[in-house]
Amino acid sequence: EIQLQESGPGLVKPSQSLSLTCSVTGYTITSGHDWSWIRKFPGNKMEWMGYISNSGSTNYNPPLRIRISITRDTSKNQFFLQLNSVTTEDTATYYCARSGWALFDYWGQGVMVTVSS
Amino acid sequence: DVVLTQTPPTLSATIGQSVSISCRSSQSLLHSNGNTYLHWLLQRPGQSPQLLIYLVSRLESGVPNRFSGSGSGTDFTLKISGVEAEDLGVYYCVQGTHAPYTFGAGTKLELK
Repeated sequence: EIQLQESGPGLVKPSQSLSLTCSVTGYTITSGHDWSWIRKFPGNKMEWMGYISNSGSTNYNPPLRIRISITRDTSKNQFFLQLNSVTTEDTATYYCARSGWALFDYWGQGVMVTVSS
Repeated sequence: DVVLTQTPPTLSATIGQSVSISCRSSQSLLHSNGNTYLHWLLQRPGQSPQLLIYLVSRLESGVPNRFSGSGSGTDFTLKISGVEAEDLGVYYCVQGTHAPYTFGAGTKLELK
């Protein structure tokens, strides 16, 4: 069974960096598909942030491009999100998901991140 | 970016009622490769989103067949034929034809 699990701090100070890990079991991230980060803001708005492909290339949502980095550790079957210079507007629940053409078929349980001093 | 407009924003239904959710795109979602990358998700309270329908009308494995999807181009519909209590939550359409991927604003299905 494919499972994804996010981990990382739930509280980040403004101007600092948000760093999250997605650990994948049941499927090797280099085998196929893309591996995305998605966030849900308070209310219902969902935003796709970017992905790292099975080959290691990345694709980011343009408004985030100067602040975001998605990397991976294939030896641990994990991929990572780093979002720099956060503000209170980055407060959201962050999800990792397996994807391909926005077909998000496996999701993590989500991690709520609050940006506050 | 492609804007997906979902209506209605809130839907009140009784158990057994059939309901439909509309998702309209600001651009055609037909890709040059012939596929239409429009999918539907459900997020139940306290849970992660789950895939219901992909490529407009294909039912994800394990999803009950009371869910169906239809449409083409810019107009798409998710239908639930006989709402059950477990169907409550927020429904999203999402498109992957045009970069960046975008989501609709969501439709909250409540019990009447």
